[in-house]
Amino acid sequence: GAVVSQHPSWVICKSGTSVKIECRSLDFQATTMFWYRQFPKQSLMLMATSNEGSKATYEQGVEKDKFLINHASLTLSTLTVTSAHPEDSSFYICSARVGRGSVEQYFGPGTRLTVT
Amino acid sequence: SQQGEEDPQALSIQEGENATMNCSYKTSINNLQWYRQNSGRGLVHLILIRSNEREKHSGRLRVTLDTSKKSSSLLITASRAADTASYFCATDNPLQGAQKLVFGQGTRLTINP
Repeated sequence: GAVVSQHPSWVICKSGTSVKIECRSLDFQATTMFWYRQFPKQSLMLMATSNEGSKATYEQGVEKDKFLINHASLTLSTLTVTSAHPEDSSFYICSARVGRGSVEQYFGPGTRLTVT
Repeated sequence: SQQGEEDPQALSIQEGENATMNCSYKTSINNLQWYRQNSGRGLVHLILIRSNEREKHSGRLRVTLDTSKKSSSLLITASRAADTASYFCATDNPLQGAQKLVFGQGTRLTINP
């Protein structure tokens, strides 16, 4: 099956620093990747849709200058949380579609970010 | 706001019993999917049901879809301790290009041995 990895699996950083999270499709090419955020015991909230070679499309209320997304290749998308604050602490999950006609999304294992 | 609402929010049953979770949504859909999430982990795709389907089976899973009521149910039969997880329904919205999934609030299922 399609496998999506994320790195790191967890990270602790200090307020004001930036953190980069990688999302990779290991055995398929992903034209579209999605970034979600999940608070404890809550559902996933879509942050942005990342298309290879073009700018990400952000959901309403998500600051594009704070959450920088780059989808430089068909197997890699990165999310950079800039000038992180404690309220950015959350579980970040990426997913990928196998192809444009595919409906299913394959999810990465998630990255736990803690900002101190 | 979230497209999908799920109930119950939490469900605790004995091993061997059946577990039923429900999901309601607000707009028209192309398909509805169910995912499982173990604590602190990513999501695992369980089953997809298209808008023109009414019922689908996969192993111990049975999913129904009632588009007239904008609702779906997930039944897990003969539950096992390993089924303990959160379960989410997710829908697309044809008006938004069918790319994006909107997740329900989820049901936290606990199977007691």
